[in-house]
Amino acid sequence: EVQLVESGGGLVQPGGSLRLSCAASGFTFSRYWMHWVRQAPGKGPVWVSRINSDGNYPNYAESVKGRFTISRDNAKNTLYLQMNSLRAEDTAVYYCASLNEGATGWGQGTLVTVSS
Amino acid sequence: DIVMTQSPDSLAVSLGERATINCKSSQSVLYSSNNKNCLVWYQQKPGQPPKLLIYWASTRESGVPDRFSGSGSGTDFTLTISSLQAEDVAVYYCQQYYSIPITFGQGTRLEIK
Repeated sequence: EVQLVESGGGLVQPGGSLRLSCAASGFTFSRYWMHWVRQAPGKGPVWVSRINSDGNYPNYAESVKGRFTISRDNAKNTLYLQMNSLRAEDTAVYYCASLNEGATGWGQGTLVTVSS
Repeated sequence: DIVMTQSPDSLAVSLGERATINCKSSQSVLYSSNNKNCLVWYQQKPGQPPKLLIYWASTRESGVPDRFSGSGSGTDFTLTISSLQAEDVAVYYCQQYYSIPITFGQGTRLEIK
């Protein structure tokens, strides 16, 4: 069973940075693409980024391109999201997700609040 | 970007009755390599992450009750709950994975009448 546990969220001022982590277990993490999805309070999910199995091919939503960096450490079964130049509109619960047939799951999410 | 539009935005159905939610994509999400539609349905309850119900538009995820079914192809899709149970009260989302960026519908809130 896919298990994903996010950490690293919190309150940050506009222009600040945060690094989110996602610890994966229950499946062969190194085989699969991984994603970050966020959900602002009272809104629907929005895809943020994905990375391929070996970490060489990231993709980003236009709204975060140039500010966020996705990466992974397959030896540690961990996915990361480095978030820089944060804005108020980045406030959301950030989910780590495996959206792969046979290995699907979402974490419980970590809340990022950008406010002065 | 592929725009996903769900209808209705909210729906109230009596217990034991059928609930139908529609999802339309702005372009086809049919993957020619395997002739399958790159569309999933999620259920989300308050304070929880989305839960996968259906993938490839019509394949039920393991453990999902068989009262949930998905249908459709190309640009038009439907999630049907054949006999609504109290625990089905939630927000339902469709999502396409045909192309990047992955996009979601705006959600349909399902309530008991």
